[in-house]
Amino acid sequence: DVVVTQSPLSLPVTLGQPASISCRSSQSLVHSDGNTYFNWFQQRPGQSPRRLIHKVSNRDSGVPDRFSGSGSGTDFTLKISRVEAEDVGVYYCMQGTHWPGTFGQGTKVEIK
Amino acid sequence: EVQLVESGGGLVQPGGSLRLSCAASGFTVSDHWMSWVRQAPGKGLEWVGNIKTDGSEDYYVDSVKGRFTISRDNAKNSLYLHMNSLRVEDTAVYYCSRGGVRDLDYWGQGSLVTVSS
Repeated sequence: DVVVTQSPLSLPVTLGQPASISCRSSQSLVHSDGNTYFNWFQQRPGQSPRRLIHKVSNRDSGVPDRFSGSGSGTDFTLKISRVEAEDVGVYYCMQGTHWPGTFGQGTKVEIK
Repeated sequence: EVQLVESGGGLVQPGGSLRLSCAASGFTVSDHWMSWVRQAPGKGLEWVGNIKTDGSEDYYVDSVKGRFTISRDNAKNSLYLHMNSLRVEDTAVYYCSRGGVRDLDYWGQGSLVTVSS
């Protein structure tokens, strides 16, 4: 199975400051159809996961533009330009290119 | 508005069986692959399996293969997860999600399954 390694696992941030989470996969996530099936999810405390970003950099409907995704091949990044209180939670990356789909371990974002 | 509502969770003994249901609204289930994802208490997410639009194909992670079966009733706009030979390590919140493993664009609130004697 493809292993997706997230870092850091814990991310204390100051309100209004930027934050960045990285994911690295054990093999390239470029599918034979040319797409890269790499998504980011947010799970707020006590809630179910919500998809933020699909196919590396496409923001889902209703997701604030302070969230952005980038990367290619095996290395991917989620950036929050200015952290707000509602951004507290655990963020997961996930690859869907190779079967079975696999998630990163999760990054817990908290306010300093 | 897209909504997914899981039900059927509870306490079951090791070796027992349980069926989870997922009722969808706001979209037509028959237009989408559908998936189940689980989360053990205090742990991360694990994709369990998915099923094609017409139910003709289904895929599972190795740890549940042969024990879990996903089915769907498009007429009822619903998805199901049949779990047999349950183990303590299957204890988790089970989420249904719209889409295959490449998508997972909407999630339900989850249903807790506890396997314990």
